[in-house]
Amino acid sequence: DADVTQTPRNRITKTGKRIMLECSQTKGHDRMYWYRQDPGLGLQLIYYSFDVKDINKGEISDGYSVSRQAQAKFSLSLESAIPNQTALYFCATSGADTGELFFGEGSRLTVL
Amino acid sequence: AQKVTQAQTEISVVEKEDVTLDCVYETRDTTYYLFWYKQPPSGELVFLIRRNSFDEQNEISGRYSWNFQKSTSSFNFTITASQVVDSAVYFCALIPGYSSASKIIFGSGTRLSIRP
Repeated sequence: DADVTQTPRNRITKTGKRIMLECSQTKGHDRMYWYRQDPGLGLQLIYYSFDVKDINKGEISDGYSVSRQAQAKFSLSLESAIPNQTALYFCATSGADTGELFFGEGSRLTVL
Repeated sequence: AQKVTQAQTEISVVEKEDVTLDCVYETRDTTYYLFWYKQPPSGELVFLIRRNSFDEQNEISGRYSWNFQKSTSSFNFTITASQVVDSAVYFCALIPGYSSASKIIFGSGTRLSIRP
């Protein structure tokens, strides 16, 4: 099994719908992240959390929210999805101070 | 400005050729980390290497090698005797100031295609 698991892997939804992407990890890491990948733009940070009681906005947090339910779980929500949120979303974890990120397999979201 | 530039959007070579992926970075910090990640067609990004700004030694791992040159702010990645399994998108990244992974800056990636 993968160390960082994302569900769903693929989702097609309509404008205005609420969507939740879930992430769980078995790395034992405290730090978790949500990234968005658009073609030709690399990865952009949406939100990150350094522990269960810590939530921080990244560079593109507007239109998104997160919940850190446990050390191993970090979910990303789109309260009212819009077409320009169509993208590939990645969850990642890191150990303290290493900088090395461990990524899930990605969740491809299409908003029609 | 703090940024990572991967000027090569796509590269296509025939199997067994050597190929170099370029990465140029900008940072105002004297301490930083540099990274390379691989994103195969399956989708997940895989960590390849991390370099500390004080360690300019080149590194070799099998067919992979990395050339870090502070004088030109470059951290290039060479694959020797490329194989079809090397086909992927490769990202160079920077963490300025030895800060946390939350500050990581990714380049836009280079899509490498290895033709049989």
